[in-house]
Amino acid sequence: DGGITQSPKYLFRKEGQNVTLSCEQNLNHDAMYWYRQDPGQGLRLIYYSQIVNDFQKGDIAEGYSVSREKKESFPLTVTSAQKNPTAFYLCASSTRGLAGGSEQFFGPGTRLTVL
Amino acid sequence: GESVGLHLPTLSVQEGDNSIINCAYSNSASDYFIWYKQESGKGPQFIIDIRSNMDKRQGQRVTVLLNKTVKHLSLQIAATQPGDSAVYFCAEAAPDSWGKLQFGAGTQVVVTP
Repeated sequence: DGGITQSPKYLFRKEGQNVTLSCEQNLNHDAMYWYRQDPGQGLRLIYYSQIVNDFQKGDIAEGYSVSREKKESFPLTVTSAQKNPTAFYLCASSTRGLAGGSEQFFGPGTRLTVL
Repeated sequence: GESVGLHLPTLSVQEGDNSIINCAYSNSASDYFIWYKQESGKGPQFIIDIRSNMDKRQGQRVTVLLNKTVKHLSLQIAATQPGDSAVYFCAEAAPDSWGKLQFGAGTQVVVTP
């Protein structure tokens, strides 16, 4: 089945630790995105990548880092510099990254909790 | 800055009735609009989308209406079912957005028996 997978589903982190969230897609999509969602709120864009080996900061990139070494993978690292990392993290991909809007396909999400 | 927003944070609908979820957008350059449904603890699921060269588009039990004059988007769900209970998000994109979607805050739809 084609789709987007995220792992782990739940992640617990101690303060001061970096953690990496996995996102893999087998949809052959060029563009991939990371969003953060806080309770009762909408999605805020952290980073996005339109093509392999290229990525751009979104609206709330501080304290996060990404890489895009392979088309199917877009891991997100939550660093110790992120002041309030507890949130639900969503990864998405789409076919069109170099033009206007198109449907983004979402993964199931990773819930990160800082202890 | 320009943003996408929703009029009602919570919508209570009786099972079998039609639901209407509204969304206001302020970026007049946006030419692509999309609705997502998100169930608790899950990722958003695509419902329907529409481009600015259309004012209405229908899917299975859903209709999206776009009024560019007043920058308003709505999602109509016919014969609402308990499984329709979720948070609904609208999102917009401009031609130069490089695929980025700007999401609204969401509307919680609660279907009552």
